[in-house]
Amino acid sequence: KQEVTQIPAALSVPEGENLVLNCSFTDSAIYNLQWFRQDPGKGLTSLLLIQSSQREQTSGRLNASLDKSSGRSTLYIAASQPGDSATYLCAVRRGTDKLIFGTGTRLQVFP
Amino acid sequence: EAGVTQFPSHSVIEKGQTVTLRCDPISGHDNLYWYRRVMGKEIKFLLHFVKESKQDESGMPNNRFLAERTGGTYSTLKVQPAELEDSGVYFCASSQNRAQEAQYFGPGTRLLVL
Repeated sequence: KQEVTQIPAALSVPEGENLVLNCSFTDSAIYNLQWFRQDPGKGLTSLLLIQSSQREQTSGRLNASLDKSSGRSTLYIAASQPGDSATYLCAVRRGTDKLIFGTGTRLQVFP
Repeated sequence: EAGVTQFPSHSVIEKGQTVTLRCDPISGHDNLYWYRRVMGKEIKFLLHFVKESKQDESGMPNNRFLAERTGGTYSTLKVQPAELEDSGVYFCASSQNRAQEAQYFGPGTRLLVL
């Protein structure tokens, strides 16, 4: 059974810091991994999608890496800003198309 | 292009009542998914439609939940009768193709059963 874990559960940092959020999964047989952000009371915004054959994806200040063999992904946020404050979720997809989510990392960036 | 929309945004009902949630996927997306998050837990899969057919309903908690997708466009999720443990946020997502595509989520419906 696939389990997805995110560490840390919460993180509070001053503006400008570079951050690493971690996601680990127990079964390496995945199709892809998707990172989302969720703002309070809002839906999920897709940030990055990494296919199982890829090592990393970049979008602006965000970079996500995938090490399928070790069951890990990291989301790197460069030069964090208060607007980055949100909950970040990772989710893996296996053969049945459904996403299996982690519990998220709640990030607060203060000025 | 419009994103995934869900209605209502919030619903407060009493135990034993019926509630129907609606999801409109992104136009042209054949795949539609329902997920939910109950308090303090991770988001969990409920079911998956490909067009109007149920592809996977392994996450549906019990027979009080009924999902439909008539004509392969919008979908409804009915809870009848609602129980206290059904409270949570119900998300809908859609994608164009299957395994290789990102899933795009709606804003969710917040359901509170009293």
